[in-house]
Amino acid sequence: EAGVAQSPRYKIIEKRQSVAFWCNPISGHATLYWYQQILGQGPKLLIQFQNNGVVDDSQLPKDRFSAERLKGVDSTLKIQPAKLEDSAVYLCASSLKNHQAPTYEQFFGPGTRLTVL
Amino acid sequence: QQQVKQSPQSLIVQKGGISIINCAYENTAFDYFPWYQQFPGKGPALLIAIRPDVSEKKEGRFTISFNKSAKQFSLHIMDSQPGDSATYFCAASIFMRAQKLVFGQGTRLTINP
Repeated sequence: EAGVAQSPRYKIIEKRQSVAFWCNPISGHATLYWYQQILGQGPKLLIQFQNNGVVDDSQLPKDRFSAERLKGVDSTLKIQPAKLEDSAVYLCASSLKNHQAPTYEQFFGPGTRLTVL
Repeated sequence: QQQVKQSPQSLIVQKGGISIINCAYENTAFDYFPWYQQFPGKGPALLIAIRPDVSEKKEGRFTISFNKSAKQFSLHIMDSQPGDSATYFCAASIFMRAQKLVFGQGTRLTINP
């Protein structure tokens, strides 16, 4: 079974530029998460999708961050404009949870390391 | 109240020893407590998890001890091996509500050969 795929793996941009990250979850996983992991800290949930609907985006800085999951499969996370403090690893995760199979394990991708200069 | 506090930040253990990492939480609504293991350049991977209906769960060399009254839980790694060297995160969530995981700050574990 293929894992969660993310691209790019690394990105370096100047502040005020925009950047986008892509995630392809494990096939059949209805729930998709984006986390921000700042160096030396635990992951922090930014947004959670159930199929193509947003379940929780309470910690997403909506003035600069946006995310979409149009067809309930792939997802993109965008930052525009980027700030220095956005330097972090952006992790995508997916889980199988639905009303028939409430499996709560989240499977993480390798992440995208963003450096904002 | 959403925080999960983890200690120590770093830990060095000799090969064959016992590694112990502790976590504490405030939100009494939390009822799912997983531990994740993360190697450099990789995403976190679920190691072991516990629900509060039991006080201990063991899987191989890994054991979670859970103290509901103290709102604390810990990971014990028996017979620690150099391959266990990684960063460990505890987390907590409300099992039936959207699985929003709140992570601790992480512990960098080094096992010396």
